[in-house]
Amino acid sequence: EAGVTQSPTHLIKTRGQQATLRCSPISGHTSVYWYQQALGLGLQFLLWYDEGEERNRGNFPPRFSGRQFPNYSSELNVNALELEDSALYLCASSLVGYEQYFGPGTRLTVT
Amino acid sequence: GQQLNQSPQSMFIQEGEDVSMNCTSSSIFNTWLWYKQEPGEGPVLLIALYKAGELTSNGRLTAQFGITRKDSFLNISASIPSDVGIYFCARYGGGNTPLVFGKGTRLSVIA
Repeated sequence: EAGVTQSPTHLIKTRGQQATLRCSPISGHTSVYWYQQALGLGLQFLLWYDEGEERNRGNFPPRFSGRQFPNYSSELNVNALELEDSALYLCASSLVGYEQYFGPGTRLTVT
Repeated sequence: GQQLNQSPQSMFIQEGEDVSMNCTSSSIFNTWLWYKQEPGEGPVLLIALYKAGELTSNGRLTAQFGITRKDSFLNISASIPSDVGIYFCARYGGGNTPLVFGKGTRLSVIA
């Protein structure tokens, strides 16, 4: 069974640009979660989508947004990029809220 | 806020030694999870605990859900070099609440 996949692996953007990150969940999983992991820090919850709807949102500004498609894949969009947005962005999927399975992440670098 | 205190922050141990780490919370929760993250990868779910007092093993790993429901412990027996990584605890409060992660314990194993 294929795990959670994320693309791209690495993304380099300049300040002020927009970034789009993509995630495909494990087959059969309906929930997708996004986390930010800045260097040396733990995982900070960003967004949770289930059945196409946003279920919960972490303490991040509105320029972090996303959506979930009918096939349960998801996009995370970050507008007006700032230097401090540089981080590993992790996507996880689950069938129930607690057992989340993570993808390898997208490393976003903002210069 | 509902914070998790994970300790120790880092550990340097000799190969073959046993390891113990823990997480505590100021509130009661229904589920505790333990993850391991290796460099350049997403966290991998190791053990999930669902009720107070539960003791669960996964190979050389053993985790316990504290009786008070406010803490959890992870033990690794006879450590080997491939145990190197960052171990995260996470707790789930139910409903549409997201997982909250500890800041991680960085484990280094000296051969």
